[in-house]
Amino acid sequence: SQTIHQWPATLVQPVGSPLSLECTVEGTSNPNLYWYRQAAGRGLQLLFYSVGIGQISSEVPQNLSASRPQDRQFILSSKKLLLSDSGFYLCASRPLNAAGSSYGYTFGSGTRLTVV
Amino acid sequence: AQSVSQHNHHVILSEAASLELGCNYSYGGTVNLFWYVQYPGQHLQLLLKYFSGDPLVKGIKGFEAEFIKSKFSFNLRKPSVQWSDTAEYFCAGAFGNTGKLIFGQGTTLQVKP
Repeated sequence: SQTIHQWPATLVQPVGSPLSLECTVEGTSNPNLYWYRQAAGRGLQLLFYSVGIGQISSEVPQNLSASRPQDRQFILSSKKLLLSDSGFYLCASRPLNAAGSSYGYTFGSGTRLTVV
Repeated sequence: AQSVSQHNHHVILSEAASLELGCNYSYGGTVNLFWYVQYPGQHLQLLLKYFSGDPLVKGIKGFEAEFIKSKFSFNLRKPSVQWSDTAEYFCAGAFGNTGKLIFGQGTTLQVKP
């Protein structure tokens, strides 16, 4: 079964500082990978998804970017954080052959980012 | 564009009351549907999922959901809630080949003992 490692668990960063959140997946190959954000009082918003190395699709315009340098590594970055970037960031993985099957999604434990 | 919407944002029930949380989706093709729960201070946990077959899906902890294709709905139900069901509930749908999982806004359920 899949396991997702996501770190750090909590992060406090000043406005204007850079950001790098890392997510690594074990137990599967060539998964679809996703970054979600859960802002206070709001639901989960899909930020980015990736179907393969170097392939990134952005769902919403924002101050963040994503990269997938390796098959099971997904990185969320920002050059200059904004206050509005605060929130709870979740990485998720889904096996590529899961279309119509019983394979599900696995979520990481999340990173709570506070921009001050 | 694909979307998932949850009608109830905050629900307050007494123990033993019946629960139904609404979920609708917008998509003309094949969709996989999920209900997740997030207990206070904990991670997202899968309650149940629908891929195909019997539209009445049974999940963990006594929850069930019914997929009604004609209504584009996937409502979550539980006949008798407990105080421990206090949590946030998310409906989600996976659309198309990318398997993008789109979440609804979430419903906060508060069960009074």
